Formats: sequence, structure tokens, C-alpha cells
Amino acid sequence: DSGVTQTPKHLITATGQRVTLRCSPRSGDLSVYWYQQSLDQGLQFLIQYYNGEERAKGNILERFSAQQFPDLHSELNLSSLELGDSALYFCASSVGAGTNSPLHFGNGTRLTVT
Amino acid sequence: AQKVTQAQTEISVVEKEDVTLDCVYETRDTTYYLFWYKQPPSGELVFLIRRNSFDEQNEISGRYSWNFQKSTSSFNFTITASQVVDSAVYFCAIILTGSARQLTFGSGTQLTVLP
Repeated sequence: DSGVTQTPKHLITATGQRVTLRCSPRSGDLSVYWYQQSLDQGLQFLIQYYNGEERAKGNILERFSAQQFPDLHSELNLSSLELGDSALYFCASSVGAGTNSPLHFGNGTRLTVT
Repeated sequence: AQKVTQAQTEISVVEKEDVTLDCVYETRDTTYYLFWYKQPPSGELVFLIRRNSFDEQNEISGRYSWNFQKSTSSFNFTITASQVVDSAVYFCAIILTGSARQLTFGSGTQLTVLP
């Protein structure tokens, strides 16, 4: 168990809808990252937050947004969903914002858009 | 930009065989970290190892060993005496130091260990 908690585990929704994925980092970790794993794109970095502030942005669509709250949990909001957004979404956390600690991943949220 | 290549898409071995998973990376930076993660059928990503670009010492952890060779930009992973529970997708990844923490993953190698 990595200590990173993601909810829900599974989500099935229709095109055009909006969903929110939630992540609680490991105790003591200040950084949260979101990754998307799809069959065609593999594992892609979406966005990073450190102590409530956005730190880095990757291949995140404009229809997607995220935030990190004062209690350090994070939410990833996906709107105007398309079939191609179906994927496994991972949250990861680490102690700092730099590269001196590994990322620990949650179990992921499997999103299915029908 | 950095890149990780895992040329072996799928590998199948019989239990107790040794197996090596290849990882080749590309980066112009001199300082970086390399990682291996395991994704079992249940789907979670499990951290296995992190290696600093300045540390070329090979590492062994039980049945797992890693061979880092900067000269060939490779960071290969060997499982000795494989077991059925080793069946998973294994990802190699790289992150540059001093940058925003973007882990760049390879496409993964699906390892199947047959009983």
C-alpha cells in the first residue's frame, strides 16, 4: 500500500458530462501529481501541485483542471467528456517538489466514458 | 526532451527462469534520476527503484537487480528465478533534476511468467 488514496476506483459516465477525481497524498507529502494512462498514449504527466500551488503542467487538456486544497488533498476535474478521455487516472505524491524523492502512486481511478 | 525506450513489448518466460527487461533512455542533461515501476494486473503502480545519474553502482534487492550503464544510456532490470507473481507490466522512467517533476515513462514491458 503506497499510502496514496484515490476515489472513486471506477467511474462510468456519458459523453459531455463532468466528473471529479479525488486524491489524498501520503501523510507528510506536499506534492501531488496527476497522470493519465491510456492504451494509445501510455502514461502521460498531466499536472503537479506543491503545497497548494501549481508547479508544472504537462499534457493536460483545457477541459481538465485540478487544484490542491489546504489539507493537501487534490481534485482533478474533467469536463465535456469525450470517448477518448476513457483512461486510468493516477495520482502520485512525494515529499518535496524536487527530484530527491520518488513518486508514490495511488491505485488509480478507471474512467469509462460511454 | 527526454525519452525512454522499452523495446520489448512482451516477454514470456517459464517460472524459475531469469529475465532481463531492457530500458534505454535519451537526455541531454547530465543529471537525472531513473526509475522502475511495476504495474500488476490489479492496476496500481508500484515503485521499485530510483537511481541517480551519478551513481553507476549496480543494485541488488533479493531476486531483483539493476544494471545502470551511462555509456550506453541503459538501465536494465533483471529478475532472477522468476515467479508467477512477477507477472506484470514494468515501466522504466526518467526525470531531470532541477526541472518540474515530470516523470517520462517508457511504453512498458508486459512480463508473463508461466508456471
